[in-house]
Amino acid sequence: NAGVTQTPKFQVLKTGQSMTLQCAQDMNHEYMSWYRQDPGMGLRLIHYSVGAGITDQGEVPNGYNVSRSTTEDFPLRLLSAAPSQTSVYFCASRRANEKLFFGSGTQLSVL
Amino acid sequence: EDQVTQSPEALRLQEGESSSLNCSYTVSGLRGLFWYRQDPGKGPEFLFTLYSAGEEKEKERLKATLTKKESFLHITAPKPEDSATYLCAVQARRGGGADGLTFGKGTHLIIQP
Repeated sequence: NAGVTQTPKFQVLKTGQSMTLQCAQDMNHEYMSWYRQDPGMGLRLIHYSVGAGITDQGEVPNGYNVSRSTTEDFPLRLLSAAPSQTSVYFCASRRANEKLFFGSGTQLSVL
Repeated sequence: EDQVTQSPEALRLQEGESSSLNCSYTVSGLRGLFWYRQDPGKGPEFLFTLYSAGEEKEKERLKATLTKKESFLHITAPKPEDSATYLCAVQARRGGGADGLTFGKGTHLIIQP
């Protein structure tokens, strides 16, 4: 049972480049979400989805897009990377009102 | 606005030296309070969920308690492998599909042999 799988683990981008962070879960969880974690700050919610075809914004959504075409996958797209998006990104999933399961994270640097 | 404040920010203990981590919170209707452990370079790993004041949960050397304003994570006779960052989060009781989870900044715990 793989749980929540994120790829890549590390990524370096130049300002203005675009990329997609991949997230997949094999637990049939309806709820999936993306967080970013910055030094000295708590985990902050970027976007979330309560099921295939349904997404919504979290606390810090600007500069990011998401889609949910299947229950298993929830990719996060950076449209035009900025240095302020340098962070560690975590994908998480859960069943309704249960505990969150987190992936191992993607460390992103934008130069 | 929901808020979670964890203290101390960092704590260094000797092996076997028991202590407690604090999580103070304000939330408009608490659905649940969560404790997670995070090791360097990894994602948070679930420890406990507490739902109501007076509730307690234990796992090995860890015990979590909850009041109406704060939660404590008690660590009894810690070992070096307990070294990690401990995160506290609250989930508000609100409608819709919103995640409702607000995380604290964490307590970085180091257990020295």
